[in-house]
Order: sequence, then C-alpha cells, then structure tokens
Amino acid sequence: AQSVTQPDIHITVSEGASLELRCNYSYGATPYLFWYVQSPGQGLQLLLKYFSGDTLVQGIKGFEAEFKRSQSSFNLRKPSVHWSDAAEYFCAVGARGNTPLVFGKGTRLSVIA
Amino acid sequence: IAGITQAPTSQILAAGRRMTLRCTQDMRHNAMYWYRQDLGLGLRLIHYSNTAGTTGKGEVPDGYSVSRANTDDFPLTLASAVPSQTSVYFCASGAGVRDEQFFGPGTRLTVL
Repeated sequence: AQSVTQPDIHITVSEGASLELRCNYSYGATPYLFWYVQSPGQGLQLLLKYFSGDTLVQGIKGFEAEFKRSQSSFNLRKPSVHWSDAAEYFCAVGARGNTPLVFGKGTRLSVIA
Repeated sequence: IAGITQAPTSQILAAGRRMTLRCTQDMRHNAMYWYRQDLGLGLRLIHYSNTAGTTGKGEVPDGYSVSRANTDDFPLTLASAVPSQTSVYFCASGAGVRDEQFFGPGTRLTVL
C-alpha cells in the first residue's frame, strides 16, 4: 500500500521569501501525486497534480512541485511567499487501481512580515 | 454553482445519539469519500464509494456507516455517537478513485 510523509509539521517563513514543503511517498510504481491547500475553516483545494510526463508541475497561486523518482519526493515550492499563503498544506499519493488517495498529515505554514 | 454541499455546518450532539451527516455533489462524480480531520493526525479516510451501490472501508471505519443509493448523495451515519468522534468531517468526490478530489466545506461535530 502507498504512504506519504510530510516531515515538517510547522514552517514559518518571511513574506517574500522562498518556500519549499517536503513530501516523501512510498509506492512501488509511479504514483499519482497531489498537493492540496486548506485555509482556516475551509475545505481542501487542489494546488497541483502529477500523473505522468514532465516532472516539474505548475499549479495555481504560483506554486510548483517537482517529482523526483530517485528520492521518492514531490516537494512543493514557491519563489516568493505572500501572507495569504498561510494555510495547511497536504500532500497525497494515489496508486493505480481502485485504491483511494492517501494523505500526509499536513504542514502548517505561517507567514511573518 | 457546481460543487459539494455538507449539512449541517456544525452540530453539538449528546453521546449515545444517532447522527447522520449529509453530503451531496452535483458534478456526477463516481467516487465519494468521507474523512475526519483531527489536530496532528491530518485527514483520515472513514469510508469511500467508487460508484453508486458500492462502499468500502477506509482507515478508521469503526462506529460509522455509509450508503450510496445514488450518484449524488453519500450520507455518513454515527449510530451511537461517542466523544472520540468529535472532529471535523469532510466529504469529497472525484471522477474516479485516482482522480483529483473535490472537497466540501466540512461539518464540525462535537459529541459531549
């Protein structure tokens, strides 16, 4: 079965600084990979997804993620963080077949002035 | 506006009571899901349904039941609520099991 680890529970960055959120997955074949964002009191919204092809994926709100098979990682990046990016971020992995997505425990992002 | 609706938005419930959380989607998605979200534990899958008429157990199914009589609705029932079921519950749907999931706004449930 697949699994996903987000090593960082909480990250604080300054507004305008770059951001990288880590995601490591465990799955024997090429997985489907997702990043979601959850603003306080809201449901989850999809930022980006990787199914196949180009390993650098562009998403909404200026986010991107890179699939690295050799490292079993799918890290989320943003070159310049805005205060509105403060939220909880979830990485998810899906397998082929009829197995539902598995979500990581999330990384909470705080943005300071 | 297409999407997922959940009801109620929040509920306080006495232990031992029966409660059904409602979830309706209008995107004609085949797959639907119920998660609970607890601090430090992330999202945990309770039950899911790949298509109308079928359901499956997730990571934390005990104390919960679901039904999928049609494509649009996927209610979650707590037969006899216990305080450990205090949580925020999210319903989600997707075109298929491997596809992007769309989430509802959540139901905050408190069991006293």
